[in-house]
Amino acid sequence: QEQLQQSGPGLVKPSQNLSLTCAISGDSVSRNGVAWNWIRQSPSRGLEWLGRTHYTTKWHYDYAPFVKHRITVNPDTSKNQFSLDLSSVTPEDTAVYYCVRVILGVYWYFDLWGRGTLVTVSS
Amino acid sequence: DIQMTQSPSSLSASVGDTVTITCRASQTITSYLNWYLQKPGKAPNLLIYGASILHSGVPSRFSGSGSGTVFTLTISNLQPEDFATYYCQQSYSTPLGTFGQGTKVEIK
Repeated sequence: QEQLQQSGPGLVKPSQNLSLTCAISGDSVSRNGVAWNWIRQSPSRGLEWLGRTHYTTKWHYDYAPFVKHRITVNPDTSKNQFSLDLSSVTPEDTAVYYCVRVILGVYWYFDLWGRGTLVTVSS
Repeated sequence: DIQMTQSPSSLSASVGDTVTITCRASQTITSYLNWYLQKPGKAPNLLIYGASILHSGVPSRFSGSGSGTVFTLTISNLQPEDFATYYCQQSYSTPLGTFGQGTKVEIK
């Protein structure tokens, strides 16, 4: 059964780092042609793609321009998981964060989602 | 960046009705358009990709059409489990796949 299991704190203080992990079952973080993404959702900003990693002969990383200077997505092949690190958070980073799989191809789409983690940025 | 605009933002319908949701792109995205359904407290689920290709397991009462900048999602014979929020998402611009703002389908 393919599944993405998210973990991480639900409350982060302003200016600190937000860190989430996504454990993969039924697939491999290093499978060629598959990208592992982070998307967030808030009432004010809707659904926003944040970043991704994928392995195609080597590891690739792509980030949304509006968070590029403070985001890292890292694979962990030993644990078959990937992570999100978002630094210097503000209350505007309060959102539900999802880890999501994409099968790369002519038509690509977000086909497998984690359950989501509500992260609140507050002191 | 490609902007996606959905209309209406919400609609009311009854079981058995046919509803249509429109999604417009700020520039041509050919047929690189996906549709998702989201229920409260849950992650979105893929319905249609490539503008008109039904994802595996999705009922045939869902259909998609369009190309270029204007796309539609049609739900025929609306069922109780279809009351949810629907999102379009463009996959023309890789990897930044922007979403529409959503259309909430409510029970009349």
